[in-house]
Amino acid sequence: DAGVTQSPTHLIKTRGQQVTLRCSPKSGHDTVSWYQQALGQGPQFIFQYYEEEERQRGNFPDRFSGHQFPNYSSELNVNALLLGDSALYLCASRRGLAGGPYYEQYFGPGTRLTVT
Amino acid sequence: DQQVKQNSPSLSVQEGRISILNCDYTNSMFDYFLWYKKYPAEGPTFLISISSIKDKNEDGRFTVFLNKSAKHLSLHIVPSQPGDSAVYFCAATSNPNAGGTSYGKLTFGQGTILTVHP
Repeated sequence: DAGVTQSPTHLIKTRGQQVTLRCSPKSGHDTVSWYQQALGQGPQFIFQYYEEEERQRGNFPDRFSGHQFPNYSSELNVNALLLGDSALYLCASRRGLAGGPYYEQYFGPGTRLTVT
Repeated sequence: DQQVKQNSPSLSVQEGRISILNCDYTNSMFDYFLWYKKYPAEGPTFLISISSIKDKNEDGRFTVFLNKSAKHLSLHIVPSQPGDSAVYFCAATSNPNAGGTSYGKLTFGQGTILTVHP
């Protein structure tokens, strides 16, 4: 049973560039959340997708956008990269609102983004 | 606004002794609390959780205690083992099916680095 997978593992970008990160949820899961973990901090919620719609958003600017595909996989896009966007980006999946404990979220290994 | 706080950045414990990790929260809407463990280069892995209707939950060597009046929870690891050395995150959430709007998002603390010495 494949868990949550993310790609790429590491990424180096320059300020002002755009980046796309990808996530495949755990088998049987249809809800995907994205978190940003800065160095020395806990993960911070960016947004959550369910049924291909953004359902909830954290305190992140519009430069952060996402998408969910019919196969439940998801992308996180960040435009106009800033040095402060350097962080570990984590994807978490769970069963949707109608099924399974809402708190059971499984995390992927993350994508380490470095902005220079 | 840090709604979940772990005030101890690090904790060092001898193998076989008890490790106690603490967490405080401010949002009364939280009704489920979780502990995650994270090793370097891996995502957080779920460890143990507790509902707000309980004050204690045990799973093997791990026990979580919840004091709702104090908005405080703690994770006890007994006995501690070197393999327990990791970063421990406390997280909280609220039921998306209870009329709220959280959709089950997790709010994390800053983490505590636990080191268990042989």
